[in-house]
Amino acid sequence: QKEVEQDPGPLSVPEGAIVSLNCTYSNSAFQYFMWYRQYSRKGPELLMYTYSSGNKEDGRFTAQVDKSSKYISLFIRDSQPSDSATYLCAMSPGGSYIPTFGRGTSLIVHP
Amino acid sequence: SQTIHQWPATLVQPVGSPLSLECTVEGTSNPNLYWYRQAAGRGLQLLFYSVGIGQISSEVPQNLSASRPQDRQFILSSKKLLLSDSGFYLCAWRTEGAANEKLFFGSGTQLSVL
Repeated sequence: QKEVEQDPGPLSVPEGAIVSLNCTYSNSAFQYFMWYRQYSRKGPELLMYTYSSGNKEDGRFTAQVDKSSKYISLFIRDSQPSDSATYLCAMSPGGSYIPTFGRGTSLIVHP
Repeated sequence: SQTIHQWPATLVQPVGSPLSLECTVEGTSNPNLYWYRQAAGRGLQLLFYSVGIGQISSEVPQNLSASRPQDRQFILSSKKLLLSDSGFYLCAWRTEGAANEKLFFGSGTQLSVL
């Protein structure tokens, strides 16, 4: 079992839909959780950063962490074609030099 | 504010040729620096990381090497490229210290070895 599991997709949705992207993990020591957005042939861009359990909202994006279930989610409201990208989750126990990344989920938002 | 520069954006090299990719970070001191490779349709593979000048940790033994000659400069090299070295190379940095878990990436170099 990989430490971080993420469905590669692609996930195809119509414009305006609510998108749910998810990662599961096995290491209960993870405390810091990140979501990155990566456009084709570009570097990943940090979208959301959360510590421990709970929700964090930033505009159309909401990050949710459920440590009891070892499950994190990224919700995108009112999705736009410009949201089409690969979304990578990443997590760390803290005090580590190296975060663990999921393989990424490809999202396609069609007009 | 902090910025990361990575170049070149695209590189086409013949098999057996040398490689040098450079990454520099501005606006911060003593960052942790990373080199990742991302093959098409695959996840990020950590190649090297560095916590200070001259300090390099290798995650994947192969024909690549890394050096950190200055605090904010990280170089990825190879003496002889293989076909399997093709991929998207990413440099990243992180503020030194615990509880600073955010990793910031450069724009990447698409390397094609022919």
